[in-house]
Amino acid sequence: ELKVEQNPLFLSMQEGKNYTIYCNYSTTSDRLYWYRQDPGKSLESLFVLLSNGAVKQEGRLMASLDTKARLSTLHITAAVHDLSATYFCAVDGKSSGDKLTFGTGTRLAVRP
Amino acid sequence: GAVVSQHPSRVICKSGTSVKIECRSLDFQATTMFWYRQFPKQSLMLMATSNEGSKATYEQGVEKDKFLINHASLTLSTLTVTSAHPEDSSFYICSARDRGQRLEQYFGPGTRLTVT
Repeated sequence: ELKVEQNPLFLSMQEGKNYTIYCNYSTTSDRLYWYRQDPGKSLESLFVLLSNGAVKQEGRLMASLDTKARLSTLHITAAVHDLSATYFCAVDGKSSGDKLTFGTGTRLAVRP
Repeated sequence: GAVVSQHPSRVICKSGTSVKIECRSLDFQATTMFWYRQFPKQSLMLMATSNEGSKATYEQGVEKDKFLINHASLTLSTLTVTSAHPEDSSFYICSARDRGQRLEQYFGPGTRLTVT
């Protein structure tokens, strides 16, 4: 059974600081996704990572994938309040067809 | 980009009644749609995979007779919560894959169900 773990579960950080969210998964995967969820809303797609060593950046967020370590990171640079949200990683396992298994989520609060 | 809609966005119903939630892909054809449930401050849990023209595949622990899924066309899947109880109160989110590509799932805006 594919398991996806994120840490930390909750992150309170000051504006302007950098931090990294980690996503570990237990079995070989085709694809890894990062999503953002605002309170009361659905998911917003941030990144799709397809191969080992993949790195994608959008604004203050950068995601990377190490398939050998079964690890993805979401790095936040110079955080701003607008980044406050819950971030989920999700994995599309090789043996699970098209099904996504979601991580536990990381609730990010950026304070002034 | 691909758009998925859900209707209704919010519903309040009395215990024992049934509620139907619709999920539509607006600008693409979706052979596969997924239904998730999310409780407050928790992650998304896949309930079932809905394939057009065939029976849905339910995840372990999800009652087929309680959560009826119908995928009648390439753009519409419905989830009916039968004989709803307060513990069914949750945020239900559907997603769909474009039949032309397997890369992304496109998520609907969600339906907040409250059972009183």
